[in-house]
Amino acid sequence: AQSVTQLDSQVPVFEEAPVELRCNYSSSVSVYLFWYVQYPNQGLQLLLKYLSGSTLVKGINGFEAEFNKSQTSFHLRKPSVHISDTAEYFCAVSTMNRDDKIIFGKGTRLHILP
Amino acid sequence: DAGVTQSPTHLIKTRGQQVTLRCSPKSGHDTVSWYQQALGQGPQFIFQYYEEEERQRGNFPDRFSGHQFPNYSSELNVNALLLGDSALYLCASSWDRSATGYTFGSGTRLTVV
Repeated sequence: AQSVTQLDSQVPVFEEAPVELRCNYSSSVSVYLFWYVQYPNQGLQLLLKYLSGSTLVKGINGFEAEFNKSQTSFHLRKPSVHISDTAEYFCAVSTMNRDDKIIFGKGTRLHILP
Repeated sequence: DAGVTQSPTHLIKTRGQQVTLRCSPKSGHDTVSWYQQALGQGPQFIFQYYEEEERQRGNFPDRFSGHQFPNYSSELNVNALLLGDSALYLCASSWDRSATGYTFGSGTRLTVV
């Protein structure tokens, strides 16, 4: 079975500073990887996804993530955060089998300091 | 192009009651998955519907049941509500059971008192 571990429950960072949200996964088969963002009182929005190919994935709102198979990681980065990035971020995994479900981590709350 | 629509947005029920939540998938999508998100937690998979059949199920009791209609819309039913069922219920749609393109609705906030 697959699992996702988000190493930080909360990350405080000053506005315009860089940020990295960490994610590790566990799976015995090849996987798809995702980052979703959830703004207060809203559903989930897909930031980016890794399906295959280049290990550096670029997403919306200036975010990017790098797939590292040897370290089973998929960390999310942004070079300069804004107050509008305040949200909950979820890393997620799915196998490549049709019918499989997406499994989510517990989330990391990004807190932007003025 | 409408995304995923969920109704109602908020709901308050009493312990022991039954509730029905509704989801209309994004246009062109035929698969619906339901998730439960407790406060401060990540979404937990409940079940997935495709071709009007439950295809997968997570670790939820039989009190949780669902249905998919010919127009691909779906319902989530919860019987004998417990306080612990209080959560945000999210519906996600995709095409042909693919996990590569989930679109989520804004959710239904269920409070059980």
